[in-house]
Amino acid sequence: GESVGLHLPTLSVQEGDNSIINCAYSNSASDYFIWYKQESGKGPQFIIDIRSNMDKRQGQRVTVLLNKTVKHLSLQIAATQPGDSAVYFCAETGGATNKLIFGTGTLLAVQP
Amino acid sequence: GAGVSQSPSNKVTEKGKDVELRCDPISGHTALYWYRQRLGQGLEFLIYFQGNSAPDKSGLPSDRFSAERTGESVSTLTIQRTQQEDSAVYLCATGPKRQTFTFGSGTRLTVV
Repeated sequence: GESVGLHLPTLSVQEGDNSIINCAYSNSASDYFIWYKQESGKGPQFIIDIRSNMDKRQGQRVTVLLNKTVKHLSLQIAATQPGDSAVYFCAETGGATNKLIFGTGTLLAVQP
Repeated sequence: GAGVSQSPSNKVTEKGKDVELRCDPISGHTALYWYRQRLGQGLEFLIYFQGNSAPDKSGLPSDRFSAERTGESVSTLTIQRTQQEDSAVYLCATGPKRQTFTFGSGTRLTVV
């Protein structure tokens, strides 16, 4: 199968700081991108999405930035809280198929 | 139901036995994905169903893996002659269209 995920990188931040999680996507034909949050023992949960005709989208405490030139996606979390501790995955879809392909996750650890 | 339901939540099986995992989608969701997630790793695409179209099976790792779905109903993922490397969490995601997905909590498979 399509293999994603190596040993997860970890981002450690202090409570109240801003967090930035980065993701490099693989398919230049992808036209829709999603960030998911996965807490221990649970399935991934939708956070925010962005279409390829945009370069920035904001939600509540979260912002997604898309740079199509370098195929880079980032998730910014403002005023990080202990409840934000989880693994964060980016995902892409589009092109010839509708497969939703996940990138390597990042473990966010929020220190009180 | 209100969410995507997967069963069993946990399954321990002996090497060489067959297992069947089940996913009950949210009513009306035409798209259904299966993913495999090994411990501490990302989500590996296995198979994708969209309505009555032919499924995208390109992610199935071997011929021991198969999945079925009739229309917009329940899907089953079957692993024959299980091996220890099959141990993982198997996640199902469904959506009304390709761009909105809800994940189940997964089935944790342990092959001993």
